[in-house]
Amino acid sequence: DIQMTQSPSSVSASVGDRVTITCRASRSITNWLAWYQQKPGKAPKLLIYTASSLQSGVPSRFSGSGSGTDFTLTISSLQPEDFATYYCQQANSFPFTFGPGTKVDIK
Amino acid sequence: EVQLVESGGGLVQPGGSLRLSCAVSGFTFSNYEMNWVRQAPGKGLEWVSYISGSGNIYYAASVKGRFTISRDNAKNSLFLQMNSLRAEDTAVYYCARSANLNYFDYWGQGTLVTVSS
Repeated sequence: DIQMTQSPSSVSASVGDRVTITCRASRSITNWLAWYQQKPGKAPKLLIYTASSLQSGVPSRFSGSGSGTDFTLTISSLQPEDFATYYCQQANSFPFTFGPGTKVDIK
Repeated sequence: EVQLVESGGGLVQPGGSLRLSCAVSGFTFSNYEMNWVRQAPGKGLEWVSYISGSGNIYYAASVKGRFTISRDNAKNSLFLQMNSLRAEDTAVYYCARSANLNYFDYWGQGTLVTVSS
């Protein structure tokens, strides 16, 4: 199975800050990676797929990059509604696996 | 509007069974792969099972042999039969549609399964 790790596990930031979250796969997944945002008590929401493609309706301040084993999610200017937990997911092979999550909270 | 609505969760004793359902609308169900993803209280996301439109099936190792995924394309419904339930199966279970690149683009609101005596 492909193991996914994320760093940091949590980050405290202010509105307007640039936030970067890293995801690493245990072996190459080329660009088969997605990012999700989850708020408390809600279902996850797809933000990014194929590592860098923005899902329809997602603000352009979200961007993704990377390939192979190392990936990043960047929020260019943090907004109040972006405080949430973010997960990466590999879609390269079964079983699909998620990273442990990164919680973005208010500094 | 795409909608996925789970039902069937509840409290069950260890070793018991439960059947989850997911009713979908707003898209041609038979054309899409579907999944179950779960989240234990306070924990991260765990993919559970996948079924293609034509019936190809995959399971996570943690549930293989105990859980069975199925679908009824005529009734626009997805199911998860869960047998031999364990305390570690306690979680919110989400049904999620796969886009054609194995990403989960639409999710239900989730249904809570609690396994406890």
